[in-house]
Amino acid sequence: DAGVIQSPRHEVTEMGQEVTLRCKPISGHDYLFWYRQTMMRGLELLIYFNNNVPIDDSGMPEDRFSAKMPNASFSTLKIQPSEPRDSAVYFCASSLPGANEKLFFGSGTQLSVL
Amino acid sequence: KQEVTQIPAALSVPEGENLVLNCSFTDSAIYNLQWFRQDPGKGLTSLLLIQSSQREQTSGRLNASLDKSSGRSTLYIAASQPGDSATYLCAVEANSGYALNFGKGTSLLVTP
Repeated sequence: DAGVIQSPRHEVTEMGQEVTLRCKPISGHDYLFWYRQTMMRGLELLIYFNNNVPIDDSGMPEDRFSAKMPNASFSTLKIQPSEPRDSAVYFCASSLPGANEKLFFGSGTQLSVL
Repeated sequence: KQEVTQIPAALSVPEGENLVLNCSFTDSAIYNLQWFRQDPGKGLTSLLLIQSSQREQTSGRLNASLDKSSGRSTLYIAASQPGDSATYLCAVEANSGYALNFGKGTSLLVTP
């Protein structure tokens, strides 16, 4: 398996624009997580899905953020409108079902909002 | 809310030294604790997972211990090598769900 695949690797956009980040989890992994990493706050969980259903979105900072998982092999994280304070590295991760399963991360999307 | 703290934030050691990275957490009601490695510009790689009923896990030169009652974990790296240079993060999974809470990491530099 190619692992968790994220695109794009880098995204530079202007304030107010819509940004869409994409993720393909490892086949067979029922759990998918979106994290955001900044120097100040470290890694923060934004939202996670189980079998394509959002389970906990309490980490989504504002209504400008939305996430979908239309099928088991694809998820998107959308920011509309984007703001400079959204600049961060966004990671997608997936895991097998059940407790005590390791988490596998993608390489992340470096987002810069100017 | 679970708080995870890692000390030190940065560490520099000469090649060959044994070293210990520390992680503490405030809520002992955890399912497991994982140690991750992050290389610059890359994602995280899970190194070791310790279940709440376990005291330690070993993988090669790495040994992780868990003391749930005191809210502490350590990652021991034996005979460090320059290739071990990376940021090491610990994360705990709460009993109440599958999400991990991460510390901010220890940035390790092993000099030749």
